[in-house]
Amino acid sequence: DAGVIQSPRHEVTEMGQEVTLRCKPISGHNSLFWYRQTMMRGLELLIYFNNNVPIDDSGMPEDRFSAKMPNASFSTLKIQPSEPRDSAVYFCASTLYGGEAVNTEAFFGQGTRLTVV
Amino acid sequence: GDSVTQMEGPVTLSEEACLTINCTYTATGYPSLFWYVQYPGEGLQLLLKATKADDKGSNKGFEATYRKETTSFHLEKGSVQVSDSAVYFCALSPRNQGGKLIFGQGTELSVKP
Repeated sequence: DAGVIQSPRHEVTEMGQEVTLRCKPISGHNSLFWYRQTMMRGLELLIYFNNNVPIDDSGMPEDRFSAKMPNASFSTLKIQPSEPRDSAVYFCASTLYGGEAVNTEAFFGQGTRLTVV
Repeated sequence: GDSVTQMEGPVTLSEEACLTINCTYTATGYPSLFWYVQYPGEGLQLLLKATKADDKGSNKGFEATYRKETTSFHLEKGSVQVSDSAVYFCALSPRNQGGKLIFGQGTELSVKP
């Protein structure tokens, strides 16, 4: 398996523009996570899905952020409109979650470095 | 809420020195505990994990023991190498929450030859 695949690797956009980040999880995994990494706030969980259903979006900073998972092999994180303070590295991760007995490894993509100017 | 606190970096060591990175956590119930490592420009990789009290996780010469009484999961290595230079993250995964991870702020380690 190629691992978790994120695209693009780098994105530079102007303030006010819409940005869409993409993630392909590892085949067979049933949980998907979006994290944001900044120097100031470290790694923050934005949202996670289980079996394509959003379970916890309490980390999504504002209504400008939205995430979807239309099927088991694809997810998007959209920012509309983007602002300079959204500049960060966004990571997608996936895992196979099977209840209380299982806390398996989460596999991370290489991240998308977003710069909003 | 659940949280993880780890020692601040950067930590600079000479090759073959001993390493300890402290990590403590606050959680309801009994979470699983992890150490992840991030090399420059890359995503996070699992280094080791422990799923219950007194478990010891180990990998690549690194070790950490799940201490419920002190709510700690300190990372140790007896002899570091230049190739160990990276950022290390302690994390917990609460039970029954889909496998989500809550991370500490990360500790940058720099090993000099």
